[in-house]
Amino acid sequence: NAGVTQTPKFQVLKTGQSMTLQCAQDMNHNSMYWYRQDPGMGLRLIYYSASEGTTDKGEVPNGYNVSRLNKREFSLRLESAAPSQTSVYFCASKDQGHQPQHFGDGTRLSIL
Amino acid sequence: QKEVEQNSGPLSVPEGAIASLNCTYSDRGSQSFFWYRQYSGKSPELIMFIYSNGDKEDGRFTAQLNKASQYVSLLIRDSQPSDSATYLCAVLKGGATNKLIFGTGTLLAVQP
Repeated sequence: NAGVTQTPKFQVLKTGQSMTLQCAQDMNHNSMYWYRQDPGMGLRLIYYSASEGTTDKGEVPNGYNVSRLNKREFSLRLESAAPSQTSVYFCASKDQGHQPQHFGDGTRLSIL
Repeated sequence: QKEVEQNSGPLSVPEGAIASLNCTYSDRGSQSFFWYRQYSGKSPELIMFIYSNGDKEDGRFTAQLNKASQYVSLLIRDSQPSDSATYLCAVLKGGATNKLIFGTGTLLAVQP
């Protein structure tokens, strides 16, 4: 069972470059999420998509954009990368109602 | 005040002892509570979830919920070195069943 798949697993960018982090889930979940995790800060929600066709800002959306391409896929884009965006990025999905989130393996992003 | 608070630790317990991990939350409307375990360099994995006041047991793990005190805990019996990880408490916000709010996690170290 693949669950939640994130690509790439590692990436190094230069300041000002752009890139898109990909996330796909095969559990037929309605909701998908993007988090970043930094030392001492815990998981912080960047954007989420409650259902196909909708997206909403989370706690730290500045500098990011998202696209819910279809029910399976939810991508995160950095238009002009900054060193402050160096982090580990996790994608997650969940079913409707009071269900837990399931996480991908993460993308480790370094911006020089 | 943070929405979900945990002691960052480290919490150090000897092998075979009971580890007690605590979490408080601020939203009285919260209805669902989750414990995730995260090994260093890995993604969070779900251990337990609890919806009702009282205790819920699963193997060596017991989740305890007290909504009146806005308090949720995780007990790990017969702690093993392999339990050494960061434990994240997550709360599903009341009124919106799509956003999990995470605490910053408690680092548990089980000493052989």
